Amino acid sequence: QSVLTQPPSVSGAPGQRVTISCTGSSSNIGAGYDVHWYQQLPGTAPKLLIYGNSNRPSGVPDRFSGSKSGTSASLAITGLQAEDEADYYCQSYDSSHVFGTGTKVTVL
Amino acid sequence: EVQLVESGGGLVQPGGSLRLSCAASGFTFSSYEMNWVRQAPGKGLEWVSYISSSGSTIYYADSVKGRFTISRDNAKNSLYLQMNSLRAEDTAVYYCARERGGLNYFDYWGQGTLVTVSS
Repeated sequence: QSVLTQPPSVSGAPGQRVTISCTGSSSNIGAGYDVHWYQQLPGTAPKLLIYGNSNRPSGVPDRFSGSKSGTSASLAITGLQAEDEADYYCQSYDSSHVFGTGTKVTVL
Repeated sequence: EVQLVESGGGLVQPGGSLRLSCAASGFTFSSYEMNWVRQAPGKGLEWVSYISSSGSTIYYADSVKGRFTISRDNAKNSLYLQMNSLRAEDTAVYYCARERGGLNYFDYWGQGTLVTVSS
């Protein structure tokens, strides 16, 4: 099973702000390893959303932001839009690559 | 444009074998570490295997160790995953993913290929 825990689902109305937590431990996030985030739209491959805790690749809207503190990390989506409805996964390192359990974001 | 295109998936019986391929283009393949990541139907992402740019360093998830073999052919810009002794729990979409060197994240993913292990 995954060593990074995320809430199964979060939801929000268009325009609202939602956050997704990613809880790890002292052997992964707490050990100083960076956290990265991926967005997986329905029926498609994952896409890099945030790397190095808080950096956005070119083309990712600034509505998406990431942070890390201690043994946890968070992804925030501000100004929620219908096209943000997707699954989101955090990822870090713990003697090997590890993914979070995944969070489904629903736009109400 | 970076492209990763997987192939080789299909239906195989338990205990059988399958070889997946990932054709890379749009970048200098020999300079990048590569990985295989899988996703069982309706489930989350699971890292499967890693190979360094030269192929000299290889890692596997415990769930596939001893059954799967990752390899690459830099002359052909291709990544492979030989899967033996397949089990029902190996049923998943398999993605190849390029790793950003030394930074432990995957910046490009293929579209995936479905492997179904069933009798």
